[in-house]
Amino acid sequence: DAKTTQPPSMDCAEGRAANLPCNHSTISGNEYVYWYRQIHSQGPQYIIHGLKNNETNEMASLIITEDRKSSTLILPHATLRDTAVYYCIVRVRGAQKLVFGQGTRLTINP
Amino acid sequence: EAGVVQSPRYKIIEKKQPVAFWCNPISGHNTLYWYRQNLGQGPELLIRYENEEAVDDSQLPKDRFSAERLKGVDSTLKIQPAELGDSAVYLCASSLVWGSSYEQYFGPGTRLTVT
Repeated sequence: DAKTTQPPSMDCAEGRAANLPCNHSTISGNEYVYWYRQIHSQGPQYIIHGLKNNETNEMASLIITEDRKSSTLILPHATLRDTAVYYCIVRVRGAQKLVFGQGTRLTINP
Repeated sequence: EAGVVQSPRYKIIEKKQPVAFWCNPISGHNTLYWYRQNLGQGPELLIRYENEEAVDDSQLPKDRFSAERLKGVDSTLKIQPAELGDSAVYLCASSLVWGSSYEQYFGPGTRLTVT
């Protein structure tokens, strides 16, 4: 599985959009980009995933660059409850193993 | 729908003692995972079950760790004897594998402290 690089921490004001970057320059054509988050004292929670097209669901949007070497998770209107560690994971199509890095600790400030 | 259930939530034991963790996956999920999460790190897979079969246990320290998933539903992870370095959060997850777009649903974890 390709390795990902994320900033260790970020801050965002409540109500603003939180943009979390992820670099995955060695991603291959059959690898998906997944995002999970982990709120304190809870297990990780699936957010969204994509292959090459931008994706949106009720939680977030995922923007993947055309060369697929990086992506951005967007929380459009961050709330205090979005404070968590966010993990960007690259996974081969059909593989069931998730390899977590250290993620980005996002703090939403009031 | 109930999520992944784990018990206990917290456990404190002395080194060299045994300990066991229990997991009840989401109903109908055929795949079950045990992860270990050290402080400040992301979760690391210990073992993965498909139904009753352990299909990936390459990261499970087999000298002291064991796991079972009887009847392809609940699972138990055991450590015997525990060492100080085993202090971590043990997470259970489950998924219903279909196609290439599946999600893993995690339980709240068991925080183990070995003294």
